[in-house]
This record gives sequence, C-alpha cells and structure tokens, in this order.
Amino acid sequence: GAVVSQHPSRVICKSGTSVKIECRSLDFQATTMFWYRQFPKQSLMLMATSNEGSKATYEQGVEKDKFLINHASLTLSTLTVTSAHPEDSSFYICSARGQADTQYFGPGTRLTVL
Amino acid sequence: AQSVTQPDIHITVSEGASLELRCNYSYGATPYLFWYVQSPGQGLQLLLKYFSGDTLVQGIKGFEAEFKRSQSSFNLRKPSVHWSDAAEYFCAVGSSGSARQLTFGSGTQLTVLP
Repeated sequence: GAVVSQHPSRVICKSGTSVKIECRSLDFQATTMFWYRQFPKQSLMLMATSNEGSKATYEQGVEKDKFLINHASLTLSTLTVTSAHPEDSSFYICSARGQADTQYFGPGTRLTVL
Repeated sequence: AQSVTQPDIHITVSEGASLELRCNYSYGATPYLFWYVQSPGQGLQLLLKYFSGDTLVQGIKGFEAEFKRSQSSFNLRKPSVHWSDAAEYFCAVGSSGSARQLTFGSGTQLTVLP
C-alpha cells in the first residue's frame, strides 16, 4: 500500500515551453502533497506544500508563477513548469502524506530543458 | 529552524559487515524522524520512522535505528550488509503542525564491496 506515481518519468523540452508533471496517490487519499527538487548528488529541497482545494504554499525563493501547483483532488497534484529554461533542468519528486503523518514518495521526473 | 546533518558523504563496507549511518538533528520539540533509501532510478523508500515510544525502531530490510535525545541523534544500523543495500540514504526530520514538512539531510552514499 501507499503507492505514489509520477508521470512522466522523463521529459525533454525546448526552452520557453511549459511542462506538466502529475503526481498521483494510487491507493490512498492525500489532502497534502509535497513537491521537491533534487540536484545531482544532492539532497531534496522542498519547493512547495500542496493542499487539496486550496492554494499551494511555496518555500522561500521558489517562484510561484514559474512553478504552478494544482491539487484538484485527493489523489492528484500537478506541477507545471512554465516557460522552462535550462536552469530548470532537474529531478522533481513529489510525495503524498498518508497515514501517521508519513510521506510516501513518487519515483521522480527527470526534466531536461534544451 | 530544524536541520539534519549526515556527516558521512560516502561510506564503503564489505558485504556481510555491519553498518552504521550517522544522523544528527536540530529541532526544538520532540522530533518526527525518518530514514529513507533512494536507489538509482527509483523513488525514496521509507525504511523506518520514529514518532514516540521505544527509542529503538525496527524497519524493513533488516534495518534499525536508535533515537538518542541526549545526543540529538538517530543513527541507522544493519548487522550484516547485502550487496543490494548499495544506495543513497537520507535522514529526515518532520516539522510540527498539520503540514508535517520534512527537512532532509544531505545523504550518505553507501557502496558495498563483494
């Protein structure tokens, strides 16, 4: 149980385009989901906290107009990287908070912006 | 603000040897503590967690961790390492409040020699 999926697993796009990443909790409902960014050989940095039916809360330094988060249902949150640039290339990971305040993580999405 | 320190960037052990990965945290209240493992191309998998109660916590794959409040530590141990344990290990502390945000350490890369 407590499985989280992400789609796509890899995406390559041209500079200036937008990319949407989906995060789904497959076998449980999650009122809260989180989005992280991980640089090579580094730790996970929290970008934002997403609550179902309300606006996401962004961490300091994260541009909310560039990284649009929508949490429209109890099993789906989306992250849209708008007008992507090469510096946005990274590994994006989502998690969903399940029972006992435990976060369950998706497999991640590798974004490459050319 | 909460923080997590994993002093060892890289550890190498022989298969069958014992393992201890260090984790120190800084948090004002009783911490929620977690150990996750990340294998290449895979998402973070929860190994074990500590919320309260018995300070020695048993996890999956034969791992255990001990919470020591006096030392602000939550070290991960395994008595006999298997080659499949080679991966990146992250210690994390959870905040109080409804969001339960996680702050991750920088990770420890484990290499297992045959």
